[in-house]
Amino acid sequence: NAGVTQTPKFRILKIGQSMTLQCTQDMNHNYMYWYRQDPGMGLKLIYYSVGAGITDKGEVPNGYNVSRSTTEDFPLRLELAAPSQTSVYFCASSYSGPNEQFFGPGTRLTVL
Amino acid sequence: AQSVSQHNHHVILSEAASLELGCNYSYGGTVNLFWYVQYPGQHLQLLLKYFSGDPLVKGIKGFEAEFIKSKFSFNLRKPSVQWSDTAEYFCAVISGNKLVFGAGTILRVKS
Repeated sequence: NAGVTQTPKFRILKIGQSMTLQCTQDMNHNYMYWYRQDPGMGLKLIYYSVGAGITDKGEVPNGYNVSRSTTEDFPLRLELAAPSQTSVYFCASSYSGPNEQFFGPGTRLTVL
Repeated sequence: AQSVSQHNHHVILSEAASLELGCNYSYGGTVNLFWYVQYPGQHLQLLLKYFSGDPLVKGIKGFEAEFIKSKFSFNLRKPSVQWSDTAEYFCAVISGNKLVFGAGTILRVKS
């Protein structure tokens, strides 16, 4: 099993550009999550999904969108990139509930 | 909603020193608590978790944590740290459908 995979690993965006961060898990987990990690701030939940077709906002959803058309995939979309979205983004999944979560390797995004 | 606070943002220890990292959660009732570790350049991994039962929880790599209900605490301990324990450590608590993380403690172990 590959676990949770994320692409790309690194990306530099210009202000106003858009992009999609990809996340895939092969563990047949129902729950998937997107977090952003900023120095000294821990991880903040952006969006989460409890199953295909169901998504909900976390603590910091503004500027982001998600979709969950399959169990495996949970892409995160940035529509109009802003410098405040410079961060490291982690995707995670769990089988049931927010219990033991398995994390992907992260995407380091810089918006200039 | 539950929240967690971690007392120290940076800790520096020499090899073989004992470690205790503080974590407090915000209110009582049934709590599910976790410690995750992030080694340099890597993703988060679960160290240990507490759901119920024995309040002293053993995790991987010699780590343990003690759940003290009266103090709303879940401190992480290790009797003797190694250089390879250099990492950032996060305490987390379940709040509804979500996992809420503390700000993290960066541990540097000097060899």
